Amino acid sequence: GAGVSQSPRYKVAKRGQDVALRCDPISGHVSLFWYQQALGQGPEFLTYFQNEAQLDKSGLPSDRFFAERPEGSVSTLKIQRTQQEDSAVYLCASSPRLWDEQFFGPGTRLTVL
Amino acid sequence: AQSVTQLDSHVSVSEGTPVLLRCNYSSSYSPSLFWYVQHPNKGLQLLLKYTSAATLVKGINGFEAEFKKSETSFHLTKPSAHMSDAAEYFCVVSVLFDSNYKLTFGKGTLLTVNP
Repeated sequence: GAGVSQSPRYKVAKRGQDVALRCDPISGHVSLFWYQQALGQGPEFLTYFQNEAQLDKSGLPSDRFFAERPEGSVSTLKIQRTQQEDSAVYLCASSPRLWDEQFFGPGTRLTVL
Repeated sequence: AQSVTQLDSHVSVSEGTPVLLRCNYSSSYSPSLFWYVQHPNKGLQLLLKYTSAATLVKGINGFEAEFKKSETSFHLTKPSAHMSDAAEYFCVVSVLFDSNYKLTFGKGTLLTVNP
């Protein structure tokens, strides 16, 4: 079956631009997670959803970062007024339930010039 | 709080020789522990997980890991490396507490397999 998909796979933005990153989880998966992976580092937790509810956003680095999952399936991570330090790979993962195995998408590589 | 330390940023082995990737963890509660592998331009894939059952965990592709509570370690091993094992490996700890759940990743170990 289809796995987690993310789009775009690559995004180049000028500093100050807004970007939107999309995640399509595996159908039926209740939990959805976003991670940020800087170059040479492990992924770091940003936020997660149970269905449409955002239950933890403690990892979002600033109020420029915003995530939503309005219908409990597709999720969008939005970054406003991008800065160079936002350059990273953004990973999305989904799982059937909160504590189940997480299935990761291929990521979106964001480069801010 | 929880944290993971991967003791080697890079491990290089010859094909057919054993692999050892070291991981130590810290957690205030009973943790679940995972190893994930990341091949270039591919998503993270779960190798194996420990969730308080048997302390010796077998995973995919011949990998296994042993949970040692006294040493707070969860080292990943494989008896014989294959060229296709070359990738980045992440040790991960998670705790489910009060409806909060998140994965905390180590910084990764790059495994190189030489012919």
